[in-house]
Amino acid sequence: ILNVEQSPQSLHVQEGDSTNFTCSFPSSNFYALHWYRWETAKSPEALFVMTLNGDEKKKGRISATLNTKEGYSYLYIKGSQPEDSATYLCAFPSGNTGKLIFGQGTTLQVKP
Amino acid sequence: DTEVTQTPKHLVMGMTNKKSLKCEQHMGHRAMYWYKQKAKKPPELMFVYSYEKLSINESVPSRFSPECPNSSLLNLHLHALQPEDSALYLCASSHGPGLHQPQHFGDGTRLSIL
Repeated sequence: ILNVEQSPQSLHVQEGDSTNFTCSFPSSNFYALHWYRWETAKSPEALFVMTLNGDEKKKGRISATLNTKEGYSYLYIKGSQPEDSATYLCAFPSGNTGKLIFGQGTTLQVKP
Repeated sequence: DTEVTQTPKHLVMGMTNKKSLKCEQHMGHRAMYWYKQKAKKPPELMFVYSYEKLSINESVPSRFSPECPNSSLLNLHLHALQPEDSALYLCASSHGPGLHQPQHFGDGTRLSIL
């Protein structure tokens, strides 16, 4: 059974703080790692699909890194804003079927 | 605005009712998905359709019946549901079922079983 773990479960930061959180996944048989952002009352939104060890991707103030050998990915948010408040989910593909195994998510609250 | 449209947004039904959830996308995606999400839990995959054929059924009870009439539409037919089936049902699509394809989600249908 694939186990995808995220930490911390929740995070409260002040506006302007930079923050990061972790997704851990099985390092054997790595295919790809997905990151999604899910704001309350909206649909989950794809942020990144990461495939290569050492990969770093960036979208505005959000960036992600990948270490496939040790089985983790970090998501960084620079200068958090209230609109960054959301649950951030990572997901690990189970084979080439489209099936994603989601982590429990990290819920970020950014206080103005 | 999401490019995956789900209707209805909310549904309340009794345990003996029959209803359907609908999902539509016009992005030319050939893989479509149904997920179930309970409060404070991540989405759990129910079904995958790949090129309009059912490719994954995650041992979902038969009271849930998926249907893919064409490449743009995905339905989930509901019959004789139980109170524990109350949840948010999310539809998603991707270009194909591959590992590297991000999934595009709808806003979901909030289902309540009385």
